[in-house]
Amino acid sequence: QVHLQESGPGLVKPSETLSLSCTVSGGSLSRYYWTWVRRPPGKELEWLGYIFYSGGTNYDPSLRSRLTISIDTSKNQFSLTLTSLTAADTAVYYCARLHGLWNGSQTHYFMDVWGKGTTVTVSS
Amino acid sequence: DVQLTQSPSFLSASVGDRVIITCRASQAINNYVAWYQQKPGQAPKLLIYAASTLHAGVPSRFGGSGSGTDFTLAIKNLQSEDFATYYCQHYFIYPWTFGQGTKVDIK
Repeated sequence: QVHLQESGPGLVKPSETLSLSCTVSGGSLSRYYWTWVRRPPGKELEWLGYIFYSGGTNYDPSLRSRLTISIDTSKNQFSLTLTSLTAADTAVYYCARLHGLWNGSQTHYFMDVWGKGTTVTVSS
Repeated sequence: DVQLTQSPSFLSASVGDRVIITCRASQAINNYVAWYQQKPGQAPKLLIYAASTLHAGVPSRFGGSGSGTDFTLAIKNLQSEDFATYYCQHYFIYPWTFGQGTKVDIK
């Protein structure tokens, strides 16, 4: 059974850079997309971006200048780097496996395995 | 961006009830909608994708429907483990967005 685990700092200072990793166990990164989602306190979930196992990416346009998602298949990990942090980046960050399913006419994307989430607070 | 508006935002129900949650998109998004359930302190759990396809292992009391701009999640015979917050999410265009959530609480 595939298991995802986020890791990274719980507290980061404003203007600094956040680096989070997601370690995948029980399965390979191959053939899937891998994604990051966050939930700011009191707000709805926000999709941040995804990476395909071969390296192609897609990001929320509003974060594209600050966000990088990378993948290391040798470590079975993918990572998030978010620069120029502000208090608005305070959130629970989740990594998830993103399945792209082609049904013959459409590709449907869904996040079917999630990590438990890691809380990141941006504060001085 | 496509805005998703869920209603109601809060719903009180009893075990055994049938509940319906609606999700309205600010533009037509075909059937590119997924539904997730989240309980406090837990990660979201996938229920439905392609607006109406039940994810493997999800009980058949959950059902989804809709296309275009209007979507529904129905839960028949509500069970105690179903008290949670439910989110719709679209993947029609970037950025993908979520609805604000519907909290289903015990009456």
